[in-house]
Amino acid sequence: DAGITQSPRYKITETGRQVTLMCHQTWSHSYMFWYRQDLGHGLRLIYYSAAADITDKGEVPDGYVVSRSKTENFPLTLESATRSQTSVYFCASSPIPEGGNNEQFFGPGTRLTVL
Amino acid sequence: AQTVTQSQPEMSVQEAETVTLSCTYDTSESDYYLFWYKQPPSRQMILVIRQEAYKQQNATENRFSVNFQKAAKSFSLKISDSQLGDAAMYFCAYRRFGNEKLTFGTGTRLTIIP
Repeated sequence: DAGITQSPRYKITETGRQVTLMCHQTWSHSYMFWYRQDLGHGLRLIYYSAAADITDKGEVPDGYVVSRSKTENFPLTLESATRSQTSVYFCASSPIPEGGNNEQFFGPGTRLTVL
Repeated sequence: AQTVTQSQPEMSVQEAETVTLSCTYDTSESDYYLFWYKQPPSRQMILVIRQEAYKQQNATENRFSVNFQKAAKSFSLKISDSQLGDAAMYFCAYRRFGNEKLTFGTGTRLTIIP
């Protein structure tokens, strides 16, 4: 199906383990984003990517790693999970803006719990 | 850095009534975009309405409209004829022209009272 998907939808892990959250979009959008949602903070940008092999930090990048070898995939890795990384993670994508106004399309989110 | 403030953590409204959600933002830019996103219990983020800062006319999408006051840096969302399906978290967001990154507010949880 066309759209943006995330996997897994739910994940429980332990402190210190490596975790990878997957994001896949079928629109061939150039831009992809990772946000985390926490109560009292709204959504905060972790990393984003303007194209394959181009990534940049957002507001809260510490403890996370991203890669983008293919346009359609943008995995987010927690190299050594901490309890403070318990959150809901959203992936989003958007096309190259035409006329300036550009909508981001969001995936369904992954709820990650770090014990 | 740009900041977006939603000062109402929770709001409630009677079904069929009108409710206004507040949003203020801080920026030194003149060209930017503002958005309202809806997040129902399903957690899916849904774009409700958007406004280009260079447009003086307030955006409208069916029962949803905004009151955009550029000088005051205010961007409120009005929901008319509230329906049960409007119950959700609503997030205000800002994006600078030429930059794809969104900055979100902390959200307002809207409850619809039958």
